[in-house]
Amino acid sequence: NAGVTQTPKFQVLKTGQSMTLQCAQDMNHEYMSWYRQDPGMGLRLIHYSVGAGITDQGEVPNGYNVSRSTTEDFPLRLLSAAPSQTSVYFCASSPLQGSQNQPQHFGDGTRLSIL
Amino acid sequence: RKEVEQDPGPFNVPEGATVAFNCTYSNSASQSFFWYRQDCRKEPKLLMSVYSSGNEDGRFTAQLNRASQYISLLIRDSKLSDSATYLCVVNMPGGFKTIFGAGTRLFVKA
Repeated sequence: NAGVTQTPKFQVLKTGQSMTLQCAQDMNHEYMSWYRQDPGMGLRLIHYSVGAGITDQGEVPNGYNVSRSTTEDFPLRLLSAAPSQTSVYFCASSPLQGSQNQPQHFGDGTRLSIL
Repeated sequence: RKEVEQDPGPFNVPEGATVAFNCTYSNSASQSFFWYRQDCRKEPKLLMSVYSSGNEDGRFTAQLNRASQYISLLIRDSKLSDSATYLCVVNMPGGFKTIFGAGTRLFVKA
């Protein structure tokens, strides 16, 4: 019963490097999302998707790209890492009901440090 | 003004105490509301949904006041295991954006 799986759990990058954070869910949820969480702040939505082939921007999309080629996977790409992107990243998924997403299931998070 | 605001706390209470958290939201058309719990360095987990008529789950009671645009969470008979950060969560209208409050930290002491 995997739920939402994120890899890697920890990563250290140098400024300017690129990388992809992986997220997969096995619950057949239509909705998937990426958040970042910084000390003293709530989770901030980066990008989200309501189904394969459909993505949209959240509150803080700059510096990140996403794609949704399958229902199960929703990778997050950092194009050119910057120290300001040091954060904990959470992926989440939920079913959709009408025009509202339902309570989300979260992965364990990826702790990313940019030097 | 932030879209979802919470008192950051921390709230320090003894075991057995009753504690209440409030949360305000800015968009009056918001339709779905939740409370999540987050333990230190862990992922958020759904505590309960918040319904217009108010709802209870054991020691936890959630209330929604649409006129004043605030949500509350009441915890009765606090346990040591209730120590965590409680996140107020609002689904924005007209789309699929979910906004999290910054969280209220609770410490329950023996």
